[in-house]
Amino acid sequence: QKEVEQDPGPLSVPEGAIVSLNCTYSNSAFQYFMWYRQYSRKGPELLMYTYSSGNKEDGRFTAQVDKSSKYISLFIRDSQPSDSATYLCATPGYSSASKIIFGSGTRLSIRP
Amino acid sequence: IAGITQAPTSQILAAGRRMTLRCTQDMRHNAMYWYRQDLGLGLRLIHYSNTAGTTGKGEVPDGYSVSRANTDDFPLTLASAVPSQTSVYFCASSQGATSYNEQFFGPGTRLTVL
Repeated sequence: QKEVEQDPGPLSVPEGAIVSLNCTYSNSAFQYFMWYRQYSRKGPELLMYTYSSGNKEDGRFTAQVDKSSKYISLFIRDSQPSDSATYLCATPGYSSASKIIFGSGTRLSIRP
Repeated sequence: IAGITQAPTSQILAAGRRMTLRCTQDMRHNAMYWYRQDLGLGLRLIHYSNTAGTTGKGEVPDGYSVSRANTDDFPLTLASAVPSQTSVYFCASSQGATSYNEQFFGPGTRLTVL
C-alpha cells in the first residue's frame, strides 16, 4: 500500500462549482500535510499546508484533515478555469528527518 | 527573478549515452533535490543534498548520480541511459533540510531515452 494515495482523475467540473480533492494516508503518525499545485508543463508549487486535524482556509481554498479516517481534502470554492491543474497532496512523513511523500496527483479541469 | 533553472528543457537521448541534467538555484537554499515524475506514480525522489558537499539516496537512485560542489548547483548524471529513465525530471530546493520546509521546484526537464 502506498503511504499517500490519490485518485488520479481527471476531474472535470463547470466554472463556479465546488471542487473536492481527496487523499488517503496509511500511517496514523503523519500529522502535517501539504497541497501542491502543478500547472501543465510546470513544476509543483506549494498551495497550502495544514497540521493535524481540522480545517485551514486561504481564500477560496480550504484544506481539511480527518485523522480518524486518515483522509485529507482540499476544497475549492467558486472554481475558476485558472484552477485547472494537477493537485498533489503530500506529507513530510512521521519525522522531520524523512523526505516528503507525494501523492500521485489529481488532474482537475474547470470548464468555462 | 529568483528561483531554480533547469537545463535542458527537453532532450531525446539514445540508450547507452551519458547525460547530465543541470540545476541551479539562486535562493541560497541549503537543501536540493532531484525527482522524477511519471504518470500514475507521482513524484519520486532520486537523490538529495542537505547541504553543499553532502548527498543522499532517495527512493529510486539506481542509474543516477549527483554531486553538490557548491550551494547553487546540483547536477544529475545518467551514466548510461536506459529507456526506463524516460521521464520528466524536476529539481527542487528548500531553505532547510527537514521535510517540513517548503520545496521550490524548477520547470522540469523532459527526457526521452530511445
